Amino acid sequence: GAGVSQSPSNKVTEKGKDVELRCDPISGHTALYWYRQSLGQGLEFLIYFQGNSAPDKSGLPSDRFSAERTGGSVSTLTIQRTQQEDSAVYLCASSFDGGRANEQFFGPGTRLTVL
Amino acid sequence: GESVGLHLPTLSVQEGDNSIINCAYSNSASDYFIWYKQESGKGPQFIIDIRSNMDKRQGQRVTVLLNKTVKHLSLQIAATQPGDSAVYFCAEKGGYNFNKFYFGSGTKLNVKP
Repeated sequence: GAGVSQSPSNKVTEKGKDVELRCDPISGHTALYWYRQSLGQGLEFLIYFQGNSAPDKSGLPSDRFSAERTGGSVSTLTIQRTQQEDSAVYLCASSFDGGRANEQFFGPGTRLTVL
Repeated sequence: GESVGLHLPTLSVQEGDNSIINCAYSNSASDYFIWYKQESGKGPQFIIDIRSNMDKRQGQRVTVLLNKTVKHLSLQIAATQPGDSAVYFCAEKGGYNFNKFYFGSGTKLNVKP
């Protein structure tokens, strides 16, 4: 596709359940970022993938959060044992590489609601 | 830690007027800054960027000003249009971890017709 896509667009789950969020970056982009955006807030960095390097996981808020990127393309963000405070929009972005000055292209996000 | 903040959470302007959105950052080592526009239900969209070796950069109807002395960034939108209504974020990159962008909480711009 022409841009970053994310699925599902909306996810409603019950507290304690696991969820998987998917991101398809722009073809050829080697860098991929996950962010979390709570209502009325800015973007909170979660994790960063760059090529085959070890991901920067320093933004993951707890060990319930994990992410992987298979084949250097598609990424999945997994939240285990979801809590109500996990409710937010989860945004994925990709860029051509992760150097100092590269534009990030964002997907539309997945709105997660934990009941 | 690093922080990027915005002075005004909401800005209302009349169509045709110029808009100025401000942003303060705390890390003097940051060397790259971006302004993003986020419309309702969409992901942020790149507007304009500036490196720390510049004070000003102009795009189409937008200008970004960087004042490193006071760690302040501003976005100026000329002849604001209804389509400019959105939330605007500034983001900084650099410092001890150049992989990360740090985003402010955003300013909501309302353009009145």
